[in-house]
Amino acid sequence: EIVMTQSPATLSVSPGERATLSCRASQSVSSNLAWYQQKPGQAPRLLISGASTRATGIPATFSGSGSGTEFTLTISSLQSEDFAVYYCQQYNDWPLTFGGGTKVEIK
Amino acid sequence: QVQLQESGPRLVKPSETLSLTCTVSGGSISSYYWSWIRQPPGKGLEWIGYIFYSGSTNYNPSLKSRVTISVDTSKNQFSLKLSSVTAADTAVYYCARHRGAVLPPGFWGQGTLVTVSS
Repeated sequence: EIVMTQSPATLSVSPGERATLSCRASQSVSSNLAWYQQKPGQAPRLLISGASTRATGIPATFSGSGSGTEFTLTISSLQSEDFAVYYCQQYNDWPLTFGGGTKVEIK
Repeated sequence: QVQLQESGPRLVKPSETLSLTCTVSGGSISSYYWSWIRQPPGKGLEWIGYIFYSGSTNYNPSLKSRVTISVDTSKNQFSLKLSSVTAADTAVYYCARHRGAVLPPGFWGQGTLVTVSS
């Protein structure tokens, strides 16, 4: 199965600053990469699919890039509601697999 | 707006079968794919498998020997059975909807914590 590795595990950022999260696949997943946000006690929320296409209702402060094996999620200006855990997930090959997550915390 | 709600026993004994149902409201179960995904406490996400409304399924090979996912279109529900459970199966179990077999789910249930313990 394709292993997804996210870094860093924890990212400490001040409100208003930019956050850059990385996701690496053990083999190419083309652009079949999604990002999710998860807050405590809640289900994951789809942010981005196709590596760079925002889901309905997701603000433009979230952007995704990359293809093949290297991907990035950028949050341009962190708001209080953006502090959460973020997961990447490949859907190029079965079984669909998730990364281990990056926790974005308040600095 | 479609809503998904998981239901079933919250406590299951080791070696027994975990059974959960996801009820879909605000939309039809037809023409979509439906998945079960789980998350052990404090850990990451694992895809269990999915079913198309017509009944075709695909399971994670790591769980395939123990998993059955079924659908009841008359009740707008789909279900998960996981047999021979151990403490490692303790997790929050989510049901989710997606438009294609492997497309990311846009709608999720709130999740239900199932604990395996004697």
